[in-house]
Amino acid sequence: NAGVMQNPRHLVRRRGQEARLRCSPVKGHSHVYWYRQLPEEGLKFMVYLQKENIIDESGMPKERFSAEFPKEGPSILRIQQVVRGDSAAYFCASSPSTGGPQPQHFGDGTRLSIL
Amino acid sequence: DAKTTQPPSMDCAEGRAANLPCNHSTISGNEYVYWYRQIHSQGPQYIIHGLKNNETNEMASLIITEDRKSSTLILPHATLRDTAVYYCIVMEAAGNKLTFGGGTRVLVKP
Repeated sequence: NAGVMQNPRHLVRRRGQEARLRCSPVKGHSHVYWYRQLPEEGLKFMVYLQKENIIDESGMPKERFSAEFPKEGPSILRIQQVVRGDSAAYFCASSPSTGGPQPQHFGDGTRLSIL
Repeated sequence: DAKTTQPPSMDCAEGRAANLPCNHSTISGNEYVYWYRQIHSQGPQYIIHGLKNNETNEMASLIITEDRKSSTLILPHATLRDTAVYYCIVMEAAGNKLTFGGGTRVLVKP
């Protein structure tokens, strides 16, 4: 009964490199959400995706950040040309496709460190 | 911005009930109250949610006032593993964006 799986758990990148964070939702869940938690701050919504569609990206930085949730495979959060300020914990959540107040279930995050 | 107000911290004795308050005076009629917690170095964990009736599950009870302007999360028998930051969040049923405030940092002491 696997929950949301995120990998890697820890990722170290040098400034200017690319970071790819992966998220496999709970089996049967077709809604995926990404959140970011900067050091000593609360979680902030970034993006909401359904299979092959971005539904709400109002929390995504306008540049360097992108997200996808393909028909097959995990959701990917991609950060290009990383900077020190991208150092944070990135959490993925998923929920079922059925209507109603379905709670989001979170993974344990990817901790991104930029050297 | 978060639509909820919670005390920043509280202590609780192990084995006793922990009552965590939350104010949401501007809650709309179609917004639910959700509770999550975040244990250090882990992702947020869903606890419980409700609209207007009191709710109970294996983890906690949720008491919502009749006017829905506030609620209380009750952990019936706190253990050391309940030490965490607890977040009270309001969101529409069709919503997709959990807005986390500062939460309440709960420390369960032996």
